[in-house]
Amino acid sequence: NAGVTQTPKFRVLKTGQSMTLLCAQDMNHEYMYWYRQDPGMGLRLIHYSVGEGTTAKGEVPDGYNVSRLKKQNFLLGLESAAPSQTSVYFCASSAGRTQHFGDGTRLSIL
Amino acid sequence: KQEVTQIPAALSVPEGENLVLNCSFTDSAIYNLQWFRQDPGKGLTSLLLIQSSQREQTSGRLNASLDKSSGRSTLYIAASQPGDSATYLCAADMDSNYQLIWGAGTKLIIKP
Repeated sequence: NAGVTQTPKFRVLKTGQSMTLLCAQDMNHEYMYWYRQDPGMGLRLIHYSVGEGTTAKGEVPDGYNVSRLKKQNFLLGLESAAPSQTSVYFCASSAGRTQHFGDGTRLSIL
Repeated sequence: KQEVTQIPAALSVPEGENLVLNCSFTDSAIYNLQWFRQDPGKGLTSLLLIQSSQREQTSGRLNASLDKSSGRSTLYIAASQPGDSATYLCAADMDSNYQLIWGAGTKLIIKP
């Protein structure tokens, strides 16, 4: 049972570099979410999607872009990485009220 | 704007004790309140979901209660075990595209 898979698990970037985080789910869920988790804070929603081809901004969308070209995949892009984007990023999916999470991507921006 | 708070940030207790974790929220107009568990280096796992019309939910040794009028939820863990060591997070569902508002979590350590 794969569930929600995030790649990569770890990444170190230099300021100004770009990268894409991939989230894949095999549960046929309509809803998908990208969060960031910082020490001492709750998860904060970056972007979310309510179905294939749709995306919407969450609480902290600036500096990030997303795409949902296929129902099972939700991509999070950093166009020009900044040290403030150092965080652990979680993807989640849901068909109803219960969200299912991946194991996270630990991203460091130097 | 909904704010969710969890106090304390960390808790250490001996094995076998019963314990209570607290979650408070500022806006009582929640759709449901959810509790999750997070193990180090892992994602979050859903534990319990309490609908706004419910007072409590139980799963094994876990019992979650909800008091909307006071803006509080508690997670009761009976007969704690070392395997219960993890960070426990609560989240308020405000019924807006299933978005959740999260507390920062309580890191629980159960000492053998």
